[in-house]
Amino acid sequence: GQNIDQPTEMTATEGAIVQINCTYQTSGFNGLFWYQQHAGEAPTFLSYNVLDGLEEKGRFSSFLSRSKGYSYLLLKELQMKDSASYLCAVRGRDSNYQLIWGAGTKLIIKP
Amino acid sequence: DTGVSQDPRHKITKRGQNVTFRCDPISEHNRLYWYRQTLGQGPEFLTYFQNEAQLEKSRLLSDRFSAERPKGSFSTLEIQRTEQGDSAMYLCASSLESSGTSDTQYFGPGTRLTVL
Repeated sequence: GQNIDQPTEMTATEGAIVQINCTYQTSGFNGLFWYQQHAGEAPTFLSYNVLDGLEEKGRFSSFLSRSKGYSYLLLKELQMKDSASYLCAVRGRDSNYQLIWGAGTKLIIKP
Repeated sequence: DTGVSQDPRHKITKRGQNVTFRCDPISEHNRLYWYRQTLGQGPEFLTYFQNEAQLEKSRLLSDRFSAERPKGSFSTLEIQRTEQGDSAMYLCASSLESSGTSDTQYFGPGTRLTVL
């Protein structure tokens, strides 16, 4: 079967760094996406990885290891507005372009 | 602002009524997706279009759900004979599929449906 695993909830302190992990088992692989979703709002695209390695975009970075079926999202210099759910989604090669979604990690930032 | 719009933003209806939602994608995007999301879960795929063709529909989707994209631009999602279990956020997303793009999906603000 196809599956995406993420921690349900994480807590971090304002100004600190947090790493949100995502592991996946899919039928083939054709890209991994991270989205941010504030409560009651739609998901907002953060990053895309298709090759192994680190993609950096400001305070946010995303890492991919295809051989391990593993990705992480790294958030630096945490701000209160980063309190949100972070969704990992994988496009499998055989899934006709459909994304397989994790349930999301709720990140709580404390002062 | 991602450029995808949805209407209405909120809908309250009584069980058994029909409802229709509209989605206007980013203008140059050729793919359009409908998802359903409940609290604490990731988006659940419902269906998607490439231009005006509906290419895939979730096997979990009952025949009370139907979607159209008549001219390859906006799309509508209709739910007939609504049930309380249909209460959820209905999300629309669009993407540009072409060689060399990541085919990233951009979401609209969603329509929150409450069935009483």
